[in-house]
Order: sequence, then C-alpha cells, then structure tokens
Amino acid sequence: QVQLVQSGGEMKKPGASVKVSCKASGYNFISYGITWVRQAPGRGLEWMGWVSVFSGNTKQAQKFQDRITMTTDTSTNTAYMELKSLTSDDTAVYYCARDLAQSVSYCGFWGQGTQVTVSS
Amino acid sequence: YVLTQPPSVSVAPGQAATITCGGKNIKNRSVAWYQQKPGQAPVLVVYDDTDRPSGIPDRFSGSNSENTASLTISRVEAGDEADYFCQVWDLSSEQWVFGGGTKLTVL
Repeated sequence: QVQLVQSGGEMKKPGASVKVSCKASGYNFISYGITWVRQAPGRGLEWMGWVSVFSGNTKQAQKFQDRITMTTDTSTNTAYMELKSLTSDDTAVYYCARDLAQSVSYCGFWGQGTQVTVSS
Repeated sequence: YVLTQPPSVSVAPGQAATITCGGKNIKNRSVAWYQQKPGQAPVLVVYDDTDRPSGIPDRFSGSNSENTASLTISRVEAGDEADYFCQVWDLSSEQWVFGGGTKLTVL
C-alpha cells in the first residue's frame, strides 16, 4: 500500500533553515508528483508547492518562492522540502502528499506530518 | 483567488450536512474536498467536483455551480465530525488554493 513516512519534529531558531524528508513506499516513486502543504496551529491548510519526481520540475506558491527548495532522490524514494530564513510564522505541521494519480495532482495520499517549531 | 467557507456547520446524526465553498465563477474550476480529523493528516474525499477516491463512502458527494461548490454528507455519522477544506487550482497564479475550512459538528 502507498505509504509516506516523514522525518521527525524539528526545533529551529529564527533565521535558520529546516529540511523535511518524506520517504515513499508501495508504488513507483518516479511516476507521481509530491506536494507540500503546511498547517499553522489552529489554522487551515496552506499549499507550499509541488515537485515532479519524473522531471524535477517544481511549482511553488508565490509566498515561498524565494525560500523553498523541493527535491527528490529516486535512489532512496525520498522527497525533501527545505525552507530557509525561518521566522516564528513558519511554526506549523508540514505535510507531504502524493498525487492521486499520474497527471492528477490532487493530494491523494498523505504523510503523517512533521512539526516544525521556530523559537528563539 | 479566494475561497470562502462557513466556519462551522452543525447537523444531527442521520441527517444530511452541506458545506459550501464560495469563489468567483468557481463552476469553471475543478474542486476537491478534504476531511481532517483532529491530530490527523487530511484525507481526500471528493475531487474534480464530484468524483470520490477509492474507499470513500458514497455518502460523500460534491457539486459545483455558478459561484458555489458544495460537499454534501448524507446520513451523517459521529465519525464524520471533522474539519473540511475545499481546494481549487488558480490558473492566474499557478498555485493550489485552499478554503479556510469548515468545522462539522455532529450534535
């Protein structure tokens, strides 16, 4: 079955960077894109960006354009999201999600989430 | 592109619940709906306005017309209590947009 297992929680200081991993199993990793979504405490879902595992092409939300890097490693079936220049507003649970189907980029399968806390 | 959802909807068990998602000319876009229970990751329940992923009960149905898309849950159960988010693709900004979410309470 499709599984996405994310890395553990992180505590970061303002100005630092964080890199969250998302290890996929149960399907052909290269055939489906990966989306990153975050959720601040008590808030709604916020789309951050999407990466094509096949081509490496990315789309990102304008809000994160200068700070986010999304990559994949097909040798380990792992996707990564790095966010730079963290502030307290970046405190959130970060989710990875797999496309529902090939060329259908709704978030059909989700990781368990990674808590990132930014505090001095 | 802005999607507007009511903060909360309440329904008695066994009744139908309708959650709306307002957006300008939303009928021209494909809408998805996600269910999120406390402490859990979201789950896709409807996509492309009306389609359900494998494993989602047919009690969940979607519709989309003019400026409002809707998610209807028929024969509501206690286990349906959750936050529900709508989502569309915004062509102009080339990004996915989520609504603010609606908390469904089963009385």
